[in-house]
Amino acid sequence: GAGVSQSPSNKVTEKGKDVELRCDPISGHTALYWYRQSLGQGLEFLIYFQGNSAPDKSGLPSDRFSAERTGGSVSTLTIQRTQQEDSAVYLCASSLVGASGGYTDTQYFGPGTRLTVL
Amino acid sequence: AQSVTQLDSQVPVFEEAPVELRCNYSSSVSVYLFWYVQYPNQGLQLLLKYLSGSTLVESINGFEAEFNKSQTSFHLRKPSVHISDTAEYFCAVSSGTYKYIFGTGTRLKVLA
Repeated sequence: GAGVSQSPSNKVTEKGKDVELRCDPISGHTALYWYRQSLGQGLEFLIYFQGNSAPDKSGLPSDRFSAERTGGSVSTLTIQRTQQEDSAVYLCASSLVGASGGYTDTQYFGPGTRLTVL
Repeated sequence: AQSVTQLDSQVPVFEEAPVELRCNYSSSVSVYLFWYVQYPNQGLQLLLKYLSGSTLVESINGFEAEFNKSQTSFHLRKPSVHISDTAEYFCAVSSGTYKYIFGTGTRLKVLA
């Protein structure tokens, strides 16, 4: 079956513009995660969805960042008024179950979206 | 708070030589531990994980990791590496919640 897909694979934008990053999780996966991977740094947790709800948004770096998930499937990460420090690879992951599985189910990652803010 | 330390940012090793990628964690509660691998231009893939039971866990491609609670370590080892093992390896820890804490990664470069 298809894995996690993300689009676009690369996005170059100008400072101050808004961008939308899309994630299509594996069908049936209830849990969805967004991470940011900056050069020389580990993966930084941004937000977690269980179904369409986001119980924890504390990882979002500023109020310019927002995310939503619809139909328990596709998720969109939006960055408003982009800044150069937003340049990074944004990774999405999904897993089959969340709380009921103790969060030990494997997280399957997409290939990421490389965002460059000029 | 939990944290993960991967001290080696890059590890060069010759083909067929053994390798150890180090991972240390800090946590005040019980942990689950993971190693993920990221091949060039690909997403992260789970390599192996420790949840409970035997402290030695193995992957299908010859890697193994041992959970050492006293040393708070989960080092990844392979007795003989191949060119195809060239990738970036990430250690991660979870206390059983949705929030995984990842290390900064170790870039393994296998030399011919």
